[in-house]
Amino acid sequence: GENVEQHPSTLSVQEGDSAVIKCTYSDSASNYFPWYKQELGKGPQLIIDIRSNVGEKKDQRIAVTLNKTAKHFSLHITETQPEDSAVYFCAASRNTGNQFYFGTGTSLTVIP
Amino acid sequence: EPEVTQTPSHQVTQMGQEVILRCVPISNHLYFYWYRQILGQKVEFLVSFYNNEISEKSEIFDDQFSVERPDGSNFTLKIRSTKLEDSAMYFCASTAPGQGSYNEQFFGPGTRLTVL
Repeated sequence: GENVEQHPSTLSVQEGDSAVIKCTYSDSASNYFPWYKQELGKGPQLIIDIRSNVGEKKDQRIAVTLNKTAKHFSLHITETQPEDSAVYFCAASRNTGNQFYFGTGTSLTVIP
Repeated sequence: EPEVTQTPSHQVTQMGQEVILRCVPISNHLYFYWYRQILGQKVEFLVSFYNNEISEKSEIFDDQFSVERPDGSNFTLKIRSTKLEDSAMYFCASTAPGQGSYNEQFFGPGTRLTVL
């Protein structure tokens, strides 16, 4: 089955700096890669996603890049703000309806 | 904005007891899922449900677990005889293929299950 690895497990940045979180996956059939943000006591919320037919996607301060050949994808957050502090999970999935395989999570702390 | 809801938010039970966790997926969604997250660990898939039957399940989802969609709105996870290691946060999710993001799964807020 699919195995998703995520690094780093914790990340501290100064407010205004950029944060990068990286994930690798093992199953070349995976074609959908979402990123979820989980705040304390809440369920995961989708922040951005990418499909395997594109290499990069951006939404304001958040961007995701995908390298299918190397089987890795990354989350980039620019101009970080304290409210970006949360746990971020990457995931990989095959077709619609298939399970998500989650990474181990990155606890991001943005220091004001 | 439509959202997935779950009840209860926290359930405390004695080992060996049966528990039912309830979820109301987003109304026009077709795929339903249960995941669990043991404290400090990754979110793990349990089961997916489509067209009134299980479409996929993990090794975790053994005979002690069952799912049901008893009516047009609720989706339940039953654990027949709880064990200490069942203590976790349980998340329900749903998907509407073809709408919005490719196959985005919308997650509920979770039910924290504590087995004593």
